[in-house]
Amino acid sequence: DQQVKQNSPSLSVQEGRISILNCDYTNSMFDYFLWYKKYPAEGPTFLISISSIKDKNEDGRFTVFLNKSAKHLSLHIVPSQPGDSAVYFCAASRDTGTASKLTFGTGTRLQVTL
Amino acid sequence: DAMVIQNPRYQVTQFGKPVTLSCSQTLNHNVMYWYQQKSSQAPKLLFHYYDKDFNNEADTPDNFQSRRPNTSFCFLDIRSPGLGDAAMYLCATSRDWGSSHYEQYFGPGTRLTVT
Repeated sequence: DQQVKQNSPSLSVQEGRISILNCDYTNSMFDYFLWYKKYPAEGPTFLISISSIKDKNEDGRFTVFLNKSAKHLSLHIVPSQPGDSAVYFCAASRDTGTASKLTFGTGTRLQVTL
Repeated sequence: DAMVIQNPRYQVTQFGKPVTLSCSQTLNHNVMYWYQQKSSQAPKLLFHYYDKDFNNEADTPDNFQSRRPNTSFCFLDIRSPGLGDAAMYLCATSRDWGSSHYEQYFGPGTRLTVT
């Protein structure tokens, strides 16, 4: 039972355009959502997050939107740059009080072309 | 730079031969996690430590064990690796308090091959 789903395995976007990566979840107990970026041969690195009490969080070129009623979040990258080419993982968290257990999606490979 | 280090980066073991993967961190985080990631799949949490308290996920096979001798180090032991255990193993850390405790810091991973 996949609780976090990224239905697009890959996405290709031209440099300078907007990249939109989508993520759906099923468990209403998730209280925090994160996006991680992964380059080949490296571990995932934290990109941006959003609490379940918010609907938008912005950090430079990256914005995450959360629609709780639809159990959907999206990551917008504007403008897209070639260095953004990587695999992006959506993750959802259940707070245990001392640890935050992440459930990941399967990732979307973003290719930013010149 | 504060970081999460995993050794080795690539490990080859034989079917049934015990193997240990290691993780160390210089972030002084209280929580450490081990994930298994198979090809084209999501990273899957195996277990985590809050300080010395070990927390196993319900569906983690008994074949997988872990040790955390101190704050900085954590080990993943696979007692009898099967072909299905070939995967990337990711170690991560996080704080145990504050709003940033949701953020986990990952090492580069160890790719395990079972022959």
